[in-house]
Amino acid sequence: QQQVKQSPQSLIVQKGGISIINCAYENTAFDYFPWYQQFPGKGPALLIAIRPDVSEKKEGRFTISFNKSAKQFSLHIMDSQPGDSATYFCAAWVGGKLIFGQGTELSVKP
Amino acid sequence: EPEVTQTPSHQVTQMGQEVILRCVPISNHLYFYWYRQILGQKVEFLVSFYNNEISEKSEIFDDQFSVERPDGSNFTLKIRSTKLEDSAMYFCASSEQTVNNQPQHFGDGTRLSIL
Repeated sequence: QQQVKQSPQSLIVQKGGISIINCAYENTAFDYFPWYQQFPGKGPALLIAIRPDVSEKKEGRFTISFNKSAKQFSLHIMDSQPGDSATYFCAAWVGGKLIFGQGTELSVKP
Repeated sequence: EPEVTQTPSHQVTQMGQEVILRCVPISNHLYFYWYRQILGQKVEFLVSFYNNEISEKSEIFDDQFSVERPDGSNFTLKIRSTKLEDSAMYFCASSEQTVNNQPQHFGDGTRLSIL
């Protein structure tokens, strides 16, 4: 199954809170999992990415947690800021292409 | 920082007409991609291109679609006879290599509106 299921569809978080977005997949051939951030009118911009031989990757306030046995991975945004308000897409790489999740619209309230 | 540029930003076309979307990938990148995003839906892979030929294409990329690298800098997507359902944002992306962990960099897209 070449799908990546993403939840929630939308998320409202208070400034300073933790935003958590989850993704799940079936295809064990997926071997690279990036997260993209998209602002209105802009293209997806790579935020952070992880390979399946690593369980966690942190870059600043952004952390990916990866559970290979459960075929799940998640994005955690610590100390969420209004400037983080955007749509976030998880994705998985297979056979030379990216398969995207449905996207999560994050709104961080001041 | 180098970026992928796409033109035009918005294209309005009558149904049945041909349209060409243009992209200038990052200069040292070798792999090129087109994706599309129908309003409110996820980003979907259309086609990948390397060494002047298609590497992979999705079911969406039927005979109405074609891609070309006409010179050393441009990468184009042509839709021969547009349909209403072709209305979407079309994103071009490029990467240095295609092996995993090589990020794809996306342009800001062309919004295609079919009337």
